[in-house]
Amino acid sequence: GAVVSQHPSRVICKSGTSVKIECRSLDFQATTMFWYRQFPKQSLMLMATSNEGSKATYEQGVEKDKFLINHASLTLSTLTVTSAHPEDSSFYICSAPKSAGELFFGEGSRLTVL
Amino acid sequence: GENVEQHPSTLSVQEGDSAVIKCTYSDSASNYFPWYKQELGKRPQLIIDIRSNVGEKKDQRIAVTLNKTAKHFSLHITETQPEDSAVYFCAANAGGTSYGKLTFGQGTILTVHP
Repeated sequence: GAVVSQHPSRVICKSGTSVKIECRSLDFQATTMFWYRQFPKQSLMLMATSNEGSKATYEQGVEKDKFLINHASLTLSTLTVTSAHPEDSSFYICSAPKSAGELFFGEGSRLTVL
Repeated sequence: GENVEQHPSTLSVQEGDSAVIKCTYSDSASNYFPWYKQELGKRPQLIIDIRSNVGEKKDQRIAVTLNKTAKHFSLHITETQPEDSAVYFCAANAGGTSYGKLTFGQGTILTVHP
């Protein structure tokens, strides 16, 4: 079946550094991908919609300059957490729709900012 | 935007009993309602979904019902087993837009005791 892969699965960084997370659709093209954030013991919150070839659409309250999204190809979207701080520590998950009715999630990336 | 409320937050049952989780949504234009099972540190796994043109769907021990008028939908798990223990999330899509743009409920921690 279709697979969406995320990398890295875990990352630890120092406060003030930037971290890039990749989301790839392995056997299908995705013009749209979605990025979610999940804090411990909480639900998934949609951060932004990544659009191939155009700017991402951010949800209310999500800082676009802090969470940079680039959807440079039909199989890759990246999320860069800039100047990360401990409060950015979270589980970041992407998803990509293959076709009407099929939505696939990546494995998730756990970010820990020291 | 869409608002999804999920109850209960925790549910404890004995093996073999049934479990019911309920969700309400606010956007009458939503037309896709998936249910996900998530184990600690892993991606959400789709267990069943329903679209607004049907009222009920069943897959072995799992069923989902949808009441469009009341804007609520429920997950029913029969003959529960210890391996059903996990966090369950309901979700609804942003009405009139991509079914992949989901708003999640708060989650239900299901514990099935042997």
